[in-house]
Amino acid sequence: DAGVIQSPRHEVTEMGQEVTLRCKPISGHDYLFWYRQTMMRGLELLIYFNNNVPIDDSGMPEDRFSAKMPNASFSTLKIQPSEPRDSAVYFCASSFWGWTTGELFFGEGSRLTVL
Amino acid sequence: KQEVTQIPAALSVPEGENLVLNCSFTDSAIYNLQWFRQDPGKGLTSLLLIQSSQREQTSGRLNASLDKSSGRSTLYIAASQPGDSATYLCAVSSSYNNNDMRFGAGTRLTVKP
Repeated sequence: DAGVIQSPRHEVTEMGQEVTLRCKPISGHDYLFWYRQTMMRGLELLIYFNNNVPIDDSGMPEDRFSAKMPNASFSTLKIQPSEPRDSAVYFCASSFWGWTTGELFFGEGSRLTVL
Repeated sequence: KQEVTQIPAALSVPEGENLVLNCSFTDSAIYNLQWFRQDPGKGLTSLLLIQSSQREQTSGRLNASLDKSSGRSTLYIAASQPGDSATYLCAVSSSYNNNDMRFGAGTRLTVKP
C-alpha cells in the first residue's frame, strides 16, 4: 500500500478564499483522523471518522471548518473562508480498529499558507 | 485535561552516545502511549506503542518504558547515529476515549557525526 496520501502538499492562498484538503487513507483502515500542527499549539486533533461517520468534531476550531468522508477511500477538509491564522500543516492519519489496536499512520501533510 | 510534556525540547549528542528522551503526562488514566518520529517536512512515523498494562516495548536500538502511576515514559536510543536526527513526539490516549490522543511538543534530536 502507498500509505496515507494527502493533496496538495503545499497550498498558498489569499484570505477569504476557499481551501480544500484531500486525503486517501490506507485501504482497509476504518478510522480516519484530521490533525493540525503549528509551532504554537503543536498537534491538535480536529475531527475523526469511523467507517465514514464523523464521531468527534469537537476539535474543529470554527464553523469555517468542515470535513466529509463520502466513502472509505476519500476525505476532505474544507476551510471557507480562510484566514491567516489557519496557516499550519494539516495531517491526515488512518488506523485499523481504532488507534489503540495498532499503529496510527500519518500522511506527509498539507502545508497551508493563508496570506 | 491531559497535558503531555516532553523534556528537553532539544538535544544534541555526538554519534555513538546512548540517550534518553522523557515524556510526562498529568492524567494516569491512559489507554496507551505511543512514540513517533517526525523528520522535517514529513509526517509522523510510529516507533513504539505501549499498552497501559505494559511496562516497556523494544524495537531494535529503541526501548520505550512506561510508568503509568508516576505519569512518565522514556524513550531510550542506544548507540545513536546521525540518521536518528529528527523530532520525537510522544502521545497518550485516554482510557475514557481511546481516540482522544494528546501529543507532546516533541524533542528535537541532533546526532553529530
